[in-house]
Amino acid sequence: AQSVTQLGSHVSVSEGALVLLRCNYSSSVPPYLFWYVQYPNQGLQLLLKYTTGATLVKGINGFEAEFKKSETSFHLTKPSAHMSDAAEYFCAVRVSGAGSYQLTFGKGTKLSVIP
Amino acid sequence: EAGVTQFPSHSVIEKGQTVTLRCDPISGHDNLYWYRRVMGKEIKFLLHFVKESKQDESGMPNNRFLAERTGGTYSTLKVQPAELEDSGVYFCASSSMTVYEQYFGPGTRLTVT
Repeated sequence: AQSVTQLGSHVSVSEGALVLLRCNYSSSVPPYLFWYVQYPNQGLQLLLKYTTGATLVKGINGFEAEFKKSETSFHLTKPSAHMSDAAEYFCAVRVSGAGSYQLTFGKGTKLSVIP
Repeated sequence: EAGVTQFPSHSVIEKGQTVTLRCDPISGHDNLYWYRRVMGKEIKFLLHFVKESKQDESGMPNNRFLAERTGGTYSTLKVQPAELEDSGVYFCASSSMTVYEQYFGPGTRLTVT
């Protein structure tokens, strides 16, 4: 079975500062990894995903994440926070290959951006 | 292209009543999923349809929950009878057979009083 740990339920950064949201996973088989964002009163929107290939993946709105197998991590970063980045962010894992497609989510990290 | 839609957006019912949630996936998506987020907890998988068949229902909490997907299009999730612990946000997602990402709807917030 797989699991996801997101360090920090709340993270605050100043506008223009680096955003770093941490995600560690456990999986017995090679994982597919995802970051989703939920803006207030909206559904989940996919930010980026890692399936195979390049371990540094770029997503929408200037976010990127790096898959580090040795550290079982998939941290989300953005060089410069914007007020519009305030939202809740979810890391999720899915086993690769055939079988169940279910996503296993972390508990989420709420990002606040201070002007 | 329309996204995943869910109805209603909010539902408040009393313990013991029945509620039916509806999800319309993105047109052409054969995979449909239900997830639930109870307050303060992580989003948890409930079940997965491929067309009209239940591929994986390992996350369904008990037999008070019944999911259907007649004709392989929209899906309904019925809770009967509802209990207090069923309160939460129910998300629906869909995906095609050829891509990895799941597209989520806005969710239905269910409150059982």
